[in-house]
Amino acid sequence: QITLKESGPTLVKPTQTLTLTCTFSGFSLSTSGVGVGWIRQPPGKALEWLALIYWNDDKRYSPSLKSRLTITKDTSKNQVVLTMTNMDPVDTATYYCAHTLLITSSWDWFDPWGQGTLVTVSS
Amino acid sequence: QSVLTQPPSVSAAPGQKVTISCSGSSSNIGNNYVSWYQQLPGTAPKLLIYDNNKRPSGIPDRFSGSKSGTSATLGITGLQTGDEADYYCGTWDSSLSAAVFGGGTQLTVL
Repeated sequence: QITLKESGPTLVKPTQTLTLTCTFSGFSLSTSGVGVGWIRQPPGKALEWLALIYWNDDKRYSPSLKSRLTITKDTSKNQVVLTMTNMDPVDTATYYCAHTLLITSSWDWFDPWGQGTLVTVSS
Repeated sequence: QSVLTQPPSVSAAPGQKVTISCSGSSSNIGNNYVSWYQQLPGTAPKLLIYDNNKRPSGIPDRFSGSKSGTSATLGITGLQTGDEADYYCGTWDSSLSAAVFGGGTQLTVL
């Protein structure tokens, strides 16, 4: 059974850097084809994809947020870390991590998702 | 403004059928697989359909997916009150090199 859980601060101040950790079980990021993605959802709004990392350290970022995002993996700890710099109140959202498999040359689906963590950006 | 266009809301009576559309372009739906997600109130999204029309294990056959050209459709038959949720389509956009989601559709079972 695959499970993922997000952790990190619930409140950050504007201009600060957000660091979120996704801790997972039931799969290994050293297995060919395996990936983990981050997706966020502002309150009452739609899903927005942020970043992906695959077993071979292939990393992909949302073009609109690429300059602010860094995704890394620690295979030994079964963790994926997302950092987002220069946080702003508009970045207030629930942040999810999710498991995926590289079937085609891009991305096809996320399953399952973590429970999500709400991050509020406010001074 | 989402790259993929979904109707904001749909509604139908219990037992009836509903369809939710997802419109895109040749750079996304037209040339990549579509997935669909169900988000029940206060919970994380759940994969309903992948590769346009395949159901993960445990998803009832009341849920179906199809794709034609640059549009995709989610169908739900035998509606139940427990199906009330937000539904999202997703795919890869080859021009943007990004995963993209629709704006979401809220399903109300009257």
